[in-house]
Amino acid sequence: KAGVTQTPRYLIKTRGQQVTLSCSPISGHRSVSWYQQTPGQGLQFLFEYFSETQRNKGNFPGRFSGRQFSNSRSEMNVSTLELGDSALYLCASSLDGSSYEQYFGPGTRLTVT
Amino acid sequence: AQSVTQLGSHVSVSEGALVLLRCNYSSSVPPYLFWYVQYPNQGLQLLLKYTTGATLVKGINGFEAEFKKSETSFHLTKPSAHMSDAAEYFCAVSQASGGYNKLIFGAGTRLAVHP
Repeated sequence: KAGVTQTPRYLIKTRGQQVTLSCSPISGHRSVSWYQQTPGQGLQFLFEYFSETQRNKGNFPGRFSGRQFSNSRSEMNVSTLELGDSALYLCASSLDGSSYEQYFGPGTRLTVT
Repeated sequence: AQSVTQLGSHVSVSEGALVLLRCNYSSSVPPYLFWYVQYPNQGLQLLLKYTTGATLVKGINGFEAEFKKSETSFHLTKPSAHMSDAAEYFCAVSQASGGYNKLIFGAGTRLAVHP
């Protein structure tokens, strides 16, 4: 089976712009979670989607949003980018809502200038 | 609220030596515990997990961890370090109820292996 894929792998944006990141989970997986990784804050949970519904949300401002499609693919969007949004954004998929075993993609490295 | 503390942001060992990475957790409900490894410019790879049952958990690449409820610990060990083990290691906790896939991570421990 193919693993979790994330596109693009690298992205450079300017302050004030918006960005959309994409995640394709492992085939058959219905849960997708997003995490932000920075040197200062470490790995932080953004949100989780299961069957197209957001089930859980971390402590991030409303500029961070996401969605999940019927094929379980997910996108996250960040509007009005700030320098502090520069990070590695990781997507993880799991089989269902109770498996607890998450498989991570390689991440998207976002740089905001 | 749940939290994870990893003692030691950097650990250095010689090749062939014991690897011990420390993790303590805080959780008001029975925890599910995980160790992940991250190589440079890559995502996270699951090394092992504890959910229920046997408290000594064996994972990939010769790693194992023991869940000690009384000490709220889940330390990661490997009897003999290889150069290829050099990476960053993250301990994580997930609540064992609610069915929500939310991981709370520790700050990570960077493992260096010297020849």
